Amino acid sequence: GQQVMQIPQYQHVQEGEDFTTYCNSSTTLSNIQWYKQRPGGHPVFLIQLVKSGEVKKQKRLTFQFGEAKKNSSLHITATQTTDVGTYFCAASGYALNFGKGTSLLVTP
Amino acid sequence: GAVVSQHPSWVICKSGTSVKIECRSLDFQATTMFWYRQFPKKSLMLMATSNEGSKATYEQGVEKDKFLINHASLTLSTLTVTSAHPEDSSFYICSARAIGYEQYFGPGTRLTVT
Repeated sequence: GQQVMQIPQYQHVQEGEDFTTYCNSSTTLSNIQWYKQRPGGHPVFLIQLVKSGEVKKQKRLTFQFGEAKKNSSLHITATQTTDVGTYFCAASGYALNFGKGTSLLVTP
Repeated sequence: GAVVSQHPSWVICKSGTSVKIECRSLDFQATTMFWYRQFPKKSLMLMATSNEGSKATYEQGVEKDKFLINHASLTLSTLTVTSAHPEDSSFYICSARAIGYEQYFGPGTRLTVT
């Protein structure tokens, strides 16, 4: 399957600061998906990116897919405590190959 | 979104016993179900893929005889951890997918083997 690397592993921000997590692959991805997992919960689908250079927004979340379709990013503007959790990118093949995730901690 | 349930949500068992975990798609027919394992603060690792009515496809390193998967219908898949040992303690998550749709994850089952 298509492997993805995700950085950083952890991020601790003050409420109101921005946050970005990056996902990289050595191969061209057909598409990429992003999930959020709250502590103790299960992964919840956020979005799927398919097109080269695609940018999608969900309120304070901005998702980008690189021109070469080898990298992606998730940016959160003005974080809130409700953003706490682990954000995973996943390369979509027959099954999903998950990155290791970025755990976000937001302190008020 | 679609709903996937898992039962039980948590289970404690003694070493050497077997445990069965059920995964159900409640409002759609899942042509494919996936079983993942997640260690604390780690990513999800795909264990196996199952299609209704056929044998599961296991990922490299996953013991077929230890983790028995049955996908008896389009709404139910089961994972049986046989002769469980403490190292099998983990969070097991299933997901289900209908053709052309994304995966929907179950809430997970936390297994503790004492």
